[in-house]
Amino acid sequence: EVQLLKSGGGLVQPGGSLRLSCAASGFTFSNYAMGWVRQAPGEGLEWVSGISGSGTATYYADSVKGRFTIFRDNSKNTLFLQMDSLRAEDTALYYCAKHPLYYYGSGSYYFDYWGQGTLVTVSS
Amino acid sequence: QSVLTQPPSVSGAPGQRVTISCTGSSSNIGAGYDVHWYQQLPRTAPKLLIYGNNNRPSGVPDRLSGSKSGASASLAITGLQADDEADYYCQSYDSSLSKVVFGGGTKLTVL
Repeated sequence: EVQLLKSGGGLVQPGGSLRLSCAASGFTFSNYAMGWVRQAPGEGLEWVSGISGSGTATYYADSVKGRFTIFRDNSKNTLFLQMDSLRAEDTALYYCAKHPLYYYGSGSYYFDYWGQGTLVTVSS
Repeated sequence: QSVLTQPPSVSGAPGQRVTISCTGSSSNIGAGYDVHWYQQLPRTAPKLLIYGNNNRPSGVPDRLSGSKSGASASLAITGLQADDEADYYCQSYDSSLSKVVFGGGTKLTVL
């Protein structure tokens, strides 16, 4: 059974940093691209970032480019999202999600499994 | 404002059929990128319902179906049940924005 277990959310002041982790199990982690999607309170889904199975290719939404870094440790089956220079508008539930293929590209732009969200609140 | 446009809400009585539309443009659905659909029950993570326009993952009942035509797509649910009440999101890829894009979501109410 595919499981994506999150940790690392919480309350942080504007300008602060936070690192989210997503521990994967039930599949060969390194064989699949992964991504982060967020949902602000009462709002819809917003794609944040994606990473290939090897970790060598990364992709970001313009809203987080230069502030967030996605990376993975395939030896520990864990996906990370390092969030720096946080802003109030980054407040959201963050989901880690699995792509169906190794690469992030045509045929693999959707998410076949999602973890439970972790709440990030940016407020003073 | 979402790149993909969905109606904010739809409703139907138990047993009826409802459709949820998803309208894009020439840089996403109209460009040939696939459309995918997710269901989000209250306080839970989204769940994949339809991928590649009209394919159901195992475990998703065949009373749910997807279609795509031009720059639009639709999710149809027949034989409405109380536990279909949820938010539904369409998703595709936009080549102009170079990113995965979602619709704004549609709240389905079972009357």
